[in-house]
Amino acid sequence: AQSVTQPDIHITVSEGASLELRCNYSYGATPYLFWYVQSPGQGLQLLLKYFSGDTLVQGIKGFEAEFKRSQSSFNLRKPSVHWSDAAEYFCAVGALTQGGSEKLVFGKGTKLTVNP
Amino acid sequence: ETGVTQSPTHLIKTRGQQVTLRCSSQSGHNTVSWYQQALGQGPQFIFQYYREEENGRGNFPPRFSGLQFPNYSSELNVNALELDDSALYLCASSLVGGNIQYFGAGTRLSVL
Repeated sequence: AQSVTQPDIHITVSEGASLELRCNYSYGATPYLFWYVQSPGQGLQLLLKYFSGDTLVQGIKGFEAEFKRSQSSFNLRKPSVHWSDAAEYFCAVGALTQGGSEKLVFGKGTKLTVNP
Repeated sequence: ETGVTQSPTHLIKTRGQQVTLRCSSQSGHNTVSWYQQALGQGPQFIFQYYREEENGRGNFPPRFSGLQFPNYSSELNVNALELDDSALYLCASSLVGGNIQYFGAGTRLSVL
């Protein structure tokens, strides 16, 4: 079965510091991978996605992620964090249901706190 | 282009009651998926609707049911509410085969 693991429940960084959020997935075929961000009381906003091709993908708000098949990882990075980046971040893998529809399987999320 | 909208924003029900949550898809999207996000957890897939029919379901009991209308809007119905049904319910729309799902802000349901 497909699964996503985000090993870090909570990360605290200082504003201006670099950030890396870890994500490991389990999926038999070539995965579709996503990072979403959720601000308090809000829904999920898509940051970036990987379908195929270049393993380093760029997203919105200065985020990027690197797909590493050998490590089953899709880590999210940002060179310099801003206070407005404080939120919860979810990694997800696209999967097929038995009926053939597409669903997202999410990790449990990593909460990011940014110190001034 | 309008995004995904959900109503109501918040809802309080008592155990055993029934609830209906509503979702309007992003313009042009023909597929709607529903997810349940319990506190401190990632969203979990409930089911997906395409062409007004359920075409995929997660590990949720039959008391969770849905509808999709010709204009692609959707409803999630939950019967015989239980305390564990308290969660944020997220609706996502997409194009069939499009792989990218766009989420609404969710409905927070509290069951007392």
